[in-house]
Amino acid sequence: EAAVTQSPRNKVTVTGGNVTLSCRQTNSHNYMYWYRQDTGHGLRLIHYSYGAGNLQIGDVPDGYKATRTTQEDFFLLLELASPSQTSLYFCASAGGNTEVFFGKGTRLTVV
Amino acid sequence: QQQVRQSPQSLTVWEGGTTVLTCSYEDSTFNYFPWYQQFPGEGPALLISILSVSDKKEDGRFTTFFNKREKKLSLHIIDSQPGDSATYFCAASAGSNNRIFFGDGTQLVVKP
Repeated sequence: EAAVTQSPRNKVTVTGGNVTLSCRQTNSHNYMYWYRQDTGHGLRLIHYSYGAGNLQIGDVPDGYKATRTTQEDFFLLLELASPSQTSLYFCASAGGNTEVFFGKGTRLTVV
Repeated sequence: QQQVRQSPQSLTVWEGGTTVLTCSYEDSTFNYFPWYQQFPGEGPALLISILSVSDKKEDGRFTTFFNKREKKLSLHIIDSQPGDSATYFCAASAGSNNRIFFGDGTQLVVKP
């Protein structure tokens, strides 16, 4: 079973604060994704990557940066957090067979 | 433009009943259609999937139907159980090495 581990699981920060969400997958998947999940909006793609050093813009990238340092590690950075970024964030990975494996999520609250 | 549209947004059924969730899509190049199931506190997980060369796939109580001409798919859950209560996402992609697009999800509640 593919494993995707996110940390932290919960985070509270202040408006204007700096937040880094971490994700590690141990299945040698090339593709990694960051989604946010909000009621009424489903899963919205923020950024994704095809491999170490590669970054692609998703559908809701404003206010977010991402970095893929290795094949295993994908980070999501919020440099000036805003209350509108309060959400449930999921990291996911996929190999060549299209199945996407999700982590358990990080609940971020910006106060 | 949303690539995958899903309905209803929420649904309540009685235990033992049949649940039907539907999706439509835009891109004719989509050929892979998975359904994901998400329980509270968990990430979504693959439930069942179908390729565009098929019109039906069954896995126990779960069946997905695909209509290429109408660009529609559906998920049927027979003998629905309270343990099926979850959020269900349909999705579509043009195959491996292509982005996957998710619908907005259906929150299903099965009442005993």
